[in-house]
Amino acid sequence: DGGITQSPKYLFRKEGQNVTLSCEQNLNHDAMYWYRQDPGQGLRLIYYSQIVNDFQKGDIAEGYSVSREKKESFPLTVTSAQKNPTAFYLCASRSGTGGLFYSNQPQHFGDGTRLSIL
Amino acid sequence: GQQLNQSPQSMFIQEGEDVSMNCTSSSIFNTWLWYKQDPGEGPVLLIALYKAGELTSNGRLTAQFGITRKDSFLNISASIPSDVGIYFCAGPTYTGTASKLTFGTGTRLQVTL
Repeated sequence: DGGITQSPKYLFRKEGQNVTLSCEQNLNHDAMYWYRQDPGQGLRLIYYSQIVNDFQKGDIAEGYSVSREKKESFPLTVTSAQKNPTAFYLCASRSGTGGLFYSNQPQHFGDGTRLSIL
Repeated sequence: GQQLNQSPQSMFIQEGEDVSMNCTSSSIFNTWLWYKQDPGEGPVLLIALYKAGELTSNGRLTAQFGITRKDSFLNISASIPSDVGIYFCAGPTYTGTASKLTFGTGTRLQVTL
């Protein structure tokens, strides 16, 4: 089945440790996105990538890093510089139909990774 | 930047009742999207609207793209317990080299039996 797979479902981080969240899609989508969601809150954009080997900072990029070496993969690293990493992290992807940069195609989401601090 | 305001923020309704919620913006959008998020899951797309005045249904859900292009409405008819969740509106914004989604603040729906 086509879809977006995030792993792991739950992740624990020790103080001072970097952790990497996986996001893989087999939808052949061009654009991919990472969001952070805090309890009872909406979605805030961390990083996004419109094409392979290119990515841009979102609204809350500090303390995070990403890479886009393959079209189907967009891993997010939560670094030790992120002092409040406990949150629900969501990955999304979007088709480039209608124009890669001006597409109005909807984003589709994975099931999320919940990150907690030990 | 653009902001999307949703109302109500939360609502309790009885099973079988109809539900209405809306989303407003200070700027024009050319697309409106409605998502539902269940607890501990990712948002799922419910309805996409692409034309001002458009009215689209998906089962018991009906959404409308406002004529002014600054608002959208979502209605749920005959609510059932599985309608519980958070409903988000969203619209694409363009930065010149990228397309991003702006999300609303969400409407939390709880159903009482």
